[in-house]
Amino acid sequence: DIQMTQSPSSLSASVGDRVTITCRASQGIRNDLGWYQQKPGKAPKRLIYAASSLQSGVPSRFSGSGSGTEFTLTISSLQPEDFATYYCLQHNSYRTFGQGTKVEIK
Amino acid sequence: EVQLVESGGGLVQPGGSLRLSCAASGFTFSSYEMNWVRQAPGKGLEWVSYISSNGFTIYYADSVKGRFTISRDNAKNSLYLQMNSLRAEDTAVYYCASMGRIDYWGQGILVTVSS
Repeated sequence: DIQMTQSPSSLSASVGDRVTITCRASQGIRNDLGWYQQKPGKAPKRLIYAASSLQSGVPSRFSGSGSGTEFTLTISSLQPEDFATYYCLQHNSYRTFGQGTKVEIK
Repeated sequence: EVQLVESGGGLVQPGGSLRLSCAASGFTFSSYEMNWVRQAPGKGLEWVSYISSNGFTIYYADSVKGRFTISRDNAKNSLYLQMNSLRAEDTAVYYCASMGRIDYWGQGILVTVSS
């Protein structure tokens, strides 16, 4: 089975900061990866699909990159509504979520 | 408006069974793959099971294989998860979700396994 290692598990940042979250796959998954945002008590929401394509309606400050085994989610300028937990999800073989990254206010 | 509405959750004793349902509306349910995803209290997301649009391809996480069964009825726009031999570690909010070409999620339903 494919394992997804996400880092960091949490981070503290200020409004306006640039934030980067990384996911590493245990084997190559091409670009079969999405990024999700989840706020407390709510269902997750997909931000990025196919590793780097922005989901419709998602602000352009979110971007994704990578292919194969290394993937990155970047928030170019953190906004108050972006404080949440973020997950990567691979769908190359079955499905596997990363462990999550909680983005907290500094 | 797209809606996925889960039902059938609740409190069940260890070793017991429960059947979750997910009613879909607002999109062509029969055209899309579906999944069950769960989240234990205070924990991260865990993928549970996948079913293709026609129901012919099914996958399970190792943690539920042999105990859970996913199915769908495209005529009724419904997804199901039959959960048998439930354990305390199955306690979680269960979401039905498409997560494919389209990304729709239900609001989640709580399953509590406890004596």
